[in-house]
Amino acid sequence: SQKIEQNSEALNIQEGKTATLTCNYTNYSPAYLQWYRQDPGRGPVFLLLIRENEKEKRKERLKVTFDTTLKQSLFHITASQPADSATYLCALDGSNSGYSTLTFGKGTMLLVSP
Amino acid sequence: GAGVSQSPSNKVTEKGKDVELRCDPISGHTALYWYRQSLGQGLEFLIYFQGNSAPDKSGLPSDRFSAERTGGSVSTLTIQRTQQEDSAVYLCASSFGGGKETQYFGPGTRLLVL
Repeated sequence: SQKIEQNSEALNIQEGKTATLTCNYTNYSPAYLQWYRQDPGRGPVFLLLIRENEKEKRKERLKVTFDTTLKQSLFHITASQPADSATYLCALDGSNSGYSTLTFGKGTMLLVSP
Repeated sequence: GAGVSQSPSNKVTEKGKDVELRCDPISGHTALYWYRQSLGQGLEFLIYFQGNSAPDKSGLPSDRFSAERTGGSVSTLTIQRTQQEDSAVYLCASSFGGGKETQYFGPGTRLLVL
């Protein structure tokens, strides 16, 4: 069956360091992969989308890589700040249909300490 | 304009009662999605609307769950004869045209069934 795995343990890092979050998947052939941020009591907020033919995507302090051979995406936050503390979700679209039926991972909580 | 809004923000009900959850998508967004997020779990897709029709209802967990959308705008998710396992956060998202568009989420409705 299709499966998305994100590290269930919280990632604790110090301010200024680079945070790296992992998303692994099995039995998918996603056309693209998305990363979202979710703060407590709020809905997810879209951050970045990377397509299957893209190796890397950047947006400000964020960088996402997508390795379709390893079936893995890495999400990096450079120069992390306490305000980056949140849960980060990866989501895959494995559908060949015209609409997006995203399947979300359970998310990894990131805690950035000052 | 305003983002996706949902009401109520919190709902406590007794087992066996019916509940209605409402979603107001971003104006002009034709696609609307309902998800459920249980404690410690990822986002679970429930149903997708394109306009007023629902081409994908595959995620609805049982026939106690139904949803409708009117005027290509507001959507209502109805849960009949609620059970304790229905307790979760119900999230609504909308996107401009479906397809591979970015989804914008509302804050969710926290449902607690006693």
